[in-house]
Parts: sequence; C-alpha cells; structure tokens
Amino acid sequence: AQSVTQPDIHITVSEGASLELRCNYSYGATPYLFWYVQSPGQGLQLLLKYFSGDTLVQGIKGFEAEFKRSQSSFNLRKPSVHWSDAAEYFCAVAPQGGNEKLTFGTGTRLTIIP
Amino acid sequence: EPEVTQTPSHQVTQMGQEVILRCVPISNHLYFYWYRQILGQKVEFLVSFYNNEISEKSEIFDDQFSVERPDGSNFTLKIRSTKLEDSAMYFCASMRFTEAFFGQGTRLTVV
Repeated sequence: AQSVTQPDIHITVSEGASLELRCNYSYGATPYLFWYVQSPGQGLQLLLKYFSGDTLVQGIKGFEAEFKRSQSSFNLRKPSVHWSDAAEYFCAVAPQGGNEKLTFGTGTRLTIIP
Repeated sequence: EPEVTQTPSHQVTQMGQEVILRCVPISNHLYFYWYRQILGQKVEFLVSFYNNEISEKSEIFDDQFSVERPDGSNFTLKIRSTKLEDSAMYFCASMRFTEAFFGQGTRLTVV
C-alpha cells in the first residue's frame, strides 16, 4: 500500500533562514507528488506538484521541491522564510493518471521565530 | 479564481444526531472527494464521487456515511448517527485531471 512519511513533526526556523521539509514515499511506481500548506483555521492550499520531467519544481510563495527517484523523496525547500510561512505542511501522493485520491503524510508544523 | 465552498464552517451536534455537510465544488470539475482530519492527525480520504456515484471509499466510510449530489451543484456528506469520534475537520475537494482544490473545511464537534 502507498504511504507517505514526513519524519519531522515540528520544525522551528528563524525568519530569513533557509528551510527544508522532508517527504519520503512508498509506492509501486512513481506517483504524482504534491505539497499542500494549511494555515491555522484554513483549508489546504496547493504549493506545488510534480508529475514528470524536470525534477526541480517551482511553486507559489517562493517554494520549490526536488524529486529524487533513487531516494523516493520529494523535499520542500525555501531559501528564506517569512513569518507568514508559519503553517502546517503536508506532502501527498496520488497514482499517475489524474483524478485519483490523495494519500497524505502526517504533516510538519513550521514555526518561525524572529 | 474559482473555489470550493463549504458550509457550515463549524457545526456542533449531539451524539446520535444526523448532520449534513455541504460543499459547492468548482463548476466544471467532474470528480469530488471528502477527506477528514481528526485534530492533530493527518488528512484521510473518505470517499470519491464521479458520474453521480461513489467511485471509491475508505474503510472509514461505513454505513453511517452517505454522499450525494442532489441538484448538480451541491455535494453533500451525511453522517446518519454521529459518534464522538466523528469530531474532525471535514474537507471537500473537487478535481479536474491532476489538481485537487480544497474547500476551507467544516469543523464538526460531536458532544
């Protein structure tokens, strides 16, 4: 069965510092990969997605993620975080082909300190 | 920008009562989903709906749950007899091809 692992439950980063959130997946074939962000009391907003091609994908709000097939990873990065980036971040996978359910990781809570 | 709308944003209900959570998906989307997030836990798939019928459901989606699209625009999740453990945030999503758009969620509190 497919699964998504986000090993870091909570990360604290200083404003202006770089960020990397880890995501590993277990899947029969390369799935579609997603990162969502959930601000307090809000819904899930798509940051970026990977389907195929260039393994470094750019998303909204200055985020990027790199797909590494050999490590089954899809880590999210940002070179310089802002206080408004404080939120919960979820990695998710879905089978290739489209219109399929998402399987989410447990999430990483990001705290930004001044 | 089109968005998925969910109502109500928060509902408190007594154990054993029926609740209906409502969603208006994006109009040209064909696939609809309900997900659940128990406080502090991950988002879990409940059910997917396509062409006016359930296409897949999880083991969570037992006989107490039902979904329907009564009028071609609304997409509802009904919980027939709520239990304390149904307390969670419920998210509706609609999808066209490869991107799922989520609503803001309905926080259900069963007391």
